[in-house]
Formats: sequence, C-alpha cells, structure tokens
Amino acid sequence: GENVEQHPSTLSVQEGDSAVIKCTYSDSASNYFPWYKQELGKRPQLIIDIRSNVGEKKDQRIAVTLNKTAKHFSLHITETQPEDSAVYFCAASLTSGTYKYIFGTGTRLKVLA
Amino acid sequence: DAGVTQSPTHLIKTRGQQVTLRCSPKSGHDTVSWYQQALGQGPQFIFQYYEEEERQRGNFPDRFSGHQFPNYSSELNVNALLLGDSALYLCASSLGPSGQPQHFGDGTRLSIL
Repeated sequence: GENVEQHPSTLSVQEGDSAVIKCTYSDSASNYFPWYKQELGKRPQLIIDIRSNVGEKKDQRIAVTLNKTAKHFSLHITETQPEDSAVYFCAASLTSGTYKYIFGTGTRLKVLA
Repeated sequence: DAGVTQSPTHLIKTRGQQVTLRCSPKSGHDTVSWYQQALGQGPQFIFQYYEEEERQRGNFPDRFSGHQFPNYSSELNVNALLLGDSALYLCASSLGPSGQPQHFGDGTRLSIL
C-alpha cells in the first residue's frame, strides 16, 4: 500500500549546524513532495515543496533533494536557529487521479542554543 | 486574505456520541480535504470534497461522513464516537482537487472520554 517512511523521529542539533531529514515513499507514481513544519498547537505550514521533474530546490536556508529512482527525498536546513525547533512532516502525493497526501510520521527537531 | 478556519478549536465528547466539525477554506479555494492526526503521528487522509461531492476517501469507516456547501465550506461528522477517535482533526483547502499545495487550518482537538 501507499506509505512514506521518515527518519529520524527526533533530531537535536547545535545552533548553526545543519539538519537533514530523510523520507522514502512507496508509490512510484508519486510526483509532488511537500514539507510541512508544525509548531506545538499550530497548523502544519508548508516550508518547501518539490515536483518530480526537479532534482533539487532551495529557498534560503532550506533545500529539498529528490531521487526518483530510489524513491527518496530529503530536507536540508542549514545554519539552524532556535526558531527552527518544531516537528517536520514530509508527504507524497500524486497530481492526477488521487490527490491525497500520504504523510510521514514526523521528525521532532530541537535546535540547542 | 483569510486562511483556512476551523471550529470549534477544542471539543470533549463521550463514547457513542456524535460530533460535527466545521471548516471554511482559504479565500479563492474550492476544495476541502480532511485529515486525522493522532498524537505523535502524521496526518492521515479521511476524505476530500469538491463540487459538493466526496471525491476521494481514505481508510476510514462509514462513521466518518462529510458535506460541502455551495460556499465551499465543509463539515466533518463522526457518529458513534470511540476512544480511538481522539485526535486533532485538520482541514486543508486547495484550488481544485489537484491544487497544490494544500493549506491547513489550526485544527479541532477532539477528546473522547
């Protein structure tokens, strides 16, 4: 069935260091991959997304890479700041047929000052 | 520009009762998707409404039903509540069923006693 695995479940980094979160999806027809940040008691907020025709996308300190062959995509946060502390979710979706998002189980990122 | 709004924010019910949750999509959006997020887990897709019809459904029993109104707002109804229905219920809106990304509301925290 459709599944997205996400690792690690928790991640602690020192302020200024980089953080990497990895996801693997099962449905090879998936072609859209958003990343959401969810702070405690708040809504999931989109921080970056990538489509399957692109291998990498960057937005300031955040970047996402996609390896379609391995069905693997990753979130990279550089120069981490305390306000980056939150739970991060990856998701996979199709852009035709079924449009539901299949979410990973989340990564709790703690940036230590 | 109004974002996705959900009501109520919190709700406490007892087993066997019925509940209705409400969602107004982001201005300009016409499609609403509902997700259930159990504590410590990623959101799980319940169903999607477009043009006042259920278009997609996840692996949820018939106790979960919904409705979309002509103004694009939506309701999620859950009958015969079980303890396991305790979760954060998130509504997400998009422009069209394939519209990406989906924008989330703050959710309704449902507790079943």
